Amino acid sequence: GDSVTQMEGPVTLSEEACLTINCTYTATGYPSLFWYVQYPGEGLQLLLKATKADDKGSNKGFEATYRKETTSFHLEKGSVQVSDSAVYFCALSETGYSTLTFGKGTMLLVSP
Amino acid sequence: DTEVTQTPKHLVMGMTNKKSLKCEQHMGHRAMYWYKQKAKKPPELMFVYSYEKLSINESVPSRFSPECPNSSLLNLHLHALQPEDSALYLCASSQEGPGPGYEQYFGPGTRLTVT
Repeated sequence: GDSVTQMEGPVTLSEEACLTINCTYTATGYPSLFWYVQYPGEGLQLLLKATKADDKGSNKGFEATYRKETTSFHLEKGSVQVSDSAVYFCALSETGYSTLTFGKGTMLLVSP
Repeated sequence: DTEVTQTPKHLVMGMTNKKSLKCEQHMGHRAMYWYKQKAKKPPELMFVYSYEKLSINESVPSRFSPECPNSSLLNLHLHALQPEDSALYLCASSQEGPGPGYEQYFGPGTRLTVT
């Protein structure tokens, strides 16, 4: 079956540092890939997505590129802010389906 | 508008109470979902409705009873819950049908405490 593996957290950074959160996946078909963010006490928000190989999703300074050859979708940001502190979930959805397979989540803590 | 609304935001109930959680979306999505999320864990899928019919029940205990009155509304009826059912309950919606895997849009959740 499908699965998503994310790096363990928490990831602790100082403000303006560079961020990379690794995500790799296993899928039987050609999935779409997503990053969701969950701020404390809130629901999940879609951060970015990519639907085919070599697509780059981007939003709010975050980027991730769909790499089929390495089955990866790493999340990157050049300069993090305190307000980026949250839990980040990598997820996939197979073509023709809407159910999501989530990674375990990575907590990001950014200090001033 | 990509908003999914959920009420109530917080709910405290005893083990003998009956209560309902409500979810609404106006994006024209034909798939709606209930998830349960425990602290520091990803959401766990409970139920999926597709075109107002229950399509997936992830072996959820019968004390949780979903209902989809129309394409915009989703309810979760709760009865005789246990303390271990305390969690954040999330509703989501998405497009449905052939095409690339679709993203889901989540509501803010209902924080449920069972005493």
